[in-house]
Amino acid sequence: DIQMTQSPSSLSASLGDRVTITCRASQSISNYLNWYQQKPGKAPKLLIYAASSLQSGVPSRFSGSGSGTDFTLTISSLQPEDFATYYCQQSYSSPRYSFGQGTKLEIK
Amino acid sequence: EVQLVESGGGSVQPGGSLRLSCAASGFTFSPYWMHWVRQAPGKGLVWVSRIEGDGSSTSYADSVKGRFTISRDNAENTLYLEMNSLRAEDTAVYYCTRDPSARSGYFDSWGQGTLVTVSS
Repeated sequence: DIQMTQSPSSLSASLGDRVTITCRASQSISNYLNWYQQKPGKAPKLLIYAASSLQSGVPSRFSGSGSGTDFTLTISSLQPEDFATYYCQQSYSSPRYSFGQGTKLEIK
Repeated sequence: EVQLVESGGGSVQPGGSLRLSCAASGFTFSPYWMHWVRQAPGKGLVWVSRIEGDGSSTSYADSVKGRFTISRDNAENTLYLEMNSLRAEDTAVYYCTRDPSARSGYFDSWGQGTLVTVSS
């Protein structure tokens, strides 16, 4: 099975900061990488699919990049509503989809 | 607007059974592959099961294979998860999710989740 590892596991940042979260796959997954945002007590929300495609309705301050084994999610200027937990997910190994362990983004 | 509404969660003893339902609305249900994803309290997301649009093919995570059964009723726009021989480690919030195109493997819509607690 493909293991997904996110770093860091937690992150403190200030409003307006540029933030980058990294996700590494245990083997090459091409661009089959997706990112989700989850707020406490809520369902996850799709942000980015296919490594760099922005889901409809998601603000343009969110962007994704990478291919192969290394991927990043970048938030260009943190807004109050962005403080949440972020998960990456590989969709290469169908149907053995797997998620990273999550990165909790907190206010500094 | 796409809506997925889960129901059927609750508390059950180890070895017991539950049937989860997910009512879909706001889109044409039948073509879409659907999935269940779960999240244990305070933990990350885990894919559980998938069913193709016509219900002809299903897949399961190893941890639930042989115990859980996914199914759908396209006439009623409803997805199901039959859970048998439940274990403590099955305790989680279960989310119904939509795959936006066959085999895309990601989840563009999620329900609010239903909590399953397995405890004696």
